[in-house]
Amino acid sequence: SQQGEEDPQALSIQEGENATMNCSYKTSINNLQWYRQNSGRGLVHLILIRSNEREKHSGRLRVTLDTSKKSSSLLITASRAADTASYFCAPTGSGGYQKVTFGIGTKLQVIP
Amino acid sequence: DTAVSQTPKYLVTQMGNDKSIKCEQNLGHDTMYWYKQDSKKFLKIMFSYNNKELIINETVPNRFSPKSPDKAHLNLHINSLELGDSAVYFCASSPDRFYGYTFGSGTRLTVV
Repeated sequence: SQQGEEDPQALSIQEGENATMNCSYKTSINNLQWYRQNSGRGLVHLILIRSNEREKHSGRLRVTLDTSKKSSSLLITASRAADTASYFCAPTGSGGYQKVTFGIGTKLQVIP
Repeated sequence: DTAVSQTPKYLVTQMGNDKSIKCEQNLGHDTMYWYKQDSKKFLKIMFSYNNKELIINETVPNRFSPKSPDKAHLNLHINSLELGDSAVYFCASSPDRFYGYTFGSGTRLTVV
């Protein structure tokens, strides 16, 4: 199975600052997804980047992917208190019905 | 309209009981999943169904049995509940694993 490992495990920043979270994985992927989980809620899909893409944007989110280093990063610009949540990456393998397994995530706290 | 809905949201029950959690999606997705999130926030996949066919069956006790009457529903039945089954259970769906997942809001199961 393929599991992402997020780093750091916890991050605390002031509102307005940028937040960067990293994800590393071990084997080749078809795509890598990022999710957000607010406390007590389900995961929300944020963005998907395919293995042939290097960078993708969605609003204040910017995701990069370096398949040679087997790593990805999620940048949230101009953070807001509402961005406070846990963020998970989910690398998805290429063949067969592989399992998408989540790590323990990065817990982001944005202080107003 | 809720895309992936789970019922109940909370479930408190005694050890040894049998309980079911229901999940329904109205997105027309072919694949549905059950995940378990423990107290450390680690999300583990349990089962995956594609068009009513079981495609992923993780190493979970056989007290857990998924049932998919049609591709819009994936229910989870748990027999002889144990204290260690206490967790939040999430249902999710996707068109297939190369697209993002849509998660339900979770069922918090507490076994006393």
